[in-house]
Amino acid sequence: QVQLQQWGAGLLKPSETLSLTCAVYGDSLSGYYWSWIRQPPGKGLEWIGEINHRGSTSYQPSLKSRVSVSLDTARNQFSLKLNSVTAADTAVYYCAGSRYDSSGSIDSWGQGTLVIVSS
Amino acid sequence: EVVLTQSPDFQSVTPKEKVTITCRASQSIGSSLHWYQQKPHQSPELLIKSASQSISGVPSRFSGSGSGTAFTLTINSLEREDAATYFCHHSGTFPPAFGHGTRLEIK
Repeated sequence: QVQLQQWGAGLLKPSETLSLTCAVYGDSLSGYYWSWIRQPPGKGLEWIGEINHRGSTSYQPSLKSRVSVSLDTARNQFSLKLNSVTAADTAVYYCAGSRYDSSGSIDSWGQGTLVIVSS
Repeated sequence: EVVLTQSPDFQSVTPKEKVTITCRASQSIGSSLHWYQQKPHQSPELLIKSASQSISGVPSRFSGSGSGTAFTLTINSLEREDAATYFCHHSGTFPPAFGHGTRLEIK
């Protein structure tokens, strides 16, 4: 099981860009799907998007126009950008990893980053 | 898009009780259903994968069953440390999604 450590700005104004990075420790980026998932305060989990080690991405349809997930293989990291944020994007954001052989289950989670969008 | 519906939303239980949480999918997802435990202010942790496969390090009192559209998480002989919110998650179709969660309170 890899260890994930994430960071990024926690307070944004409406229309700004959310930017988070997740470092992977204990294994390379190969052999995993790397995801971002968010959880609004007191609510359930929402899948945002994912990337594999080849850089192929998939995104939540409702967020697709605003979201981008990328890899930095040299640093063993992956990142999330979400443009034009609003208060509705306020949530704890988690980075996560799923081994290719884990049938889509999420084996590893970052510690979470609370992002608040407020003017 | 597959929607997962969990029941109950909340349950207050006593230690040593047996607990059953249900997750229903709006269409068949085979066995691509996973369960997680999330304690307050913590990240979720994988409990069961592929409907019924156990995870190394997870206590044996946690088990899962089901396929298609109906799935169950069972906790035998509940312990106080099991106070948490439990989520189901499907990876069978695009996009993946989570149930809204079931909060367990220990009396």
